Amino acid sequence: DVKVTQSSRYLVKRTGEKVFLECVQDMDHENMFWYRQDPGLGLRLIYFSYDVKMKEKGDIPEGYSVSREKKERFSLILESASTNQTSMYLCASSSEYDSPLHFGNGTRLTVT
Amino acid sequence: KQEVTQIPAALSVPEGENLVLNCSFTDSAIYNLQWFRQDPGKGLTSLLLIQSSQREQTSGRLNASLDKSSGRSTLYIAASQPGDSATYLCAASNSNSGYALNFGKGTSLLVTP
Repeated sequence: DVKVTQSSRYLVKRTGEKVFLECVQDMDHENMFWYRQDPGLGLRLIYFSYDVKMKEKGDIPEGYSVSREKKERFSLILESASTNQTSMYLCASSSEYDSPLHFGNGTRLTVT
Repeated sequence: KQEVTQIPAALSVPEGENLVLNCSFTDSAIYNLQWFRQDPGKGLTSLLLIQSSQREQTSGRLNASLDKSSGRSTLYIAASQPGDSATYLCAASNSNSGYALNFGKGTSLLVTP
């Protein structure tokens, strides 16, 4: 079974802090994605990557950056956390464009 | 941008009923369409994936159909069980979104014993 692991289940940070959310997949998948999920807004795509050191902006990249130095790891970085970034963050991976998407269990981030 | 809509937002049915969840999308040039299940506080689990060239996919009691011309997909759940209670999301990918999935807001399903 594919396993997508997000390093933290719950995270509380202060406004202005630099925050790192880590995601690791164990199936040698090419594609990795970061979404955030908010009540009433659904899942929105932040960034995605189709290969090591490659990244593409999603629908809401402002205030975020990503890093993919190794194929199995995709990190989401909040450069200066703000309260409007309080959300559930979901990482996902897939082997090809037409393969099922596999999600981690999410990181619930609270910025105070 | 692909817009995905799911109706109804919530649904409650008695155990044993067959039910249909609806999903519509605005851009018929989809690459594929996927259905997911999400339990409270958890990530999403992939249920079915329909390629653009396919009309339907089946897995156990689940059957998903795709009609690109009308911009619709349905998820049929046969003989519903309390364990089917969850939020069901559909998502569509297009080449102009880099093949990333655009999600609907989901249908929250409650199956009562």
